[in-house]
Amino acid sequence: DGGITQSPKYLFRKEGQNVTLSCEQNLNHDAMYWYRQDPGQGLRLIYYSQIVNDFQKGDIAEGYSVSREKKESFPLTVTSAQKNPTAFYLCASSITGGSPLHFGNGTRLTVT
Amino acid sequence: AQKVTQAQTEISVVEKEDVTLDCVYETRDTTYYLFWYKQPPSGELVFLIRRNSFDEQNEISGRYSWNFQKSTSSFNFTITASQVVDSAVYFCALSEALTSGTYKYIFGTGTRLKVLA
Repeated sequence: DGGITQSPKYLFRKEGQNVTLSCEQNLNHDAMYWYRQDPGQGLRLIYYSQIVNDFQKGDIAEGYSVSREKKESFPLTVTSAQKNPTAFYLCASSITGGSPLHFGNGTRLTVT
Repeated sequence: AQKVTQAQTEISVVEKEDVTLDCVYETRDTTYYLFWYKQPPSGELVFLIRRNSFDEQNEISGRYSWNFQKSTSSFNFTITASQVVDSAVYFCALSEALTSGTYKYIFGTGTRLKVLA
């Protein structure tokens, strides 16, 4: 079955360490997105990519970085510059602009 | 700028009651899409419906119905005869094209629905 796989489901890191969250899709979707979810704040857009080797900053890109070397993969790195990295991270993809987003199961990152 | 407002943070109803979740949006574009998603406790967002800006027909799917009114920039979601399994966080979202040709999706803050047995 096609879908989006995020790994790991839970991730724990010490403050000051960079950490990379994996997102892989086998839906053949062009567009991919990373969102951050905090209690009471809904989903906020971190980065998005329409095609391979191209991506744009979302509303809260500071302290994050991404790459899009393959159509299927859109990893997110949470750097030590991110002031409050503990959150639930969701990866999504869509086949065309305006199509529904398909979401992964999310990664819950805890930084202490 | 685009914005989606879900003013209801949390709603509690007793099973079999009807409940309406409100969504108000802001956009400058004439072409856009509106969505509703359900997020159960497991965390994954489940797509429920998409509406484009040119289709104001209301839609019904089983116990779910949606009311899209461009005049008030609202896209409300009603659950009829609610069930405990409807308990979840519901998100309204807006998608519109950017000048680069990509699409940006903006989400509201969500409404937590609790259906009590």
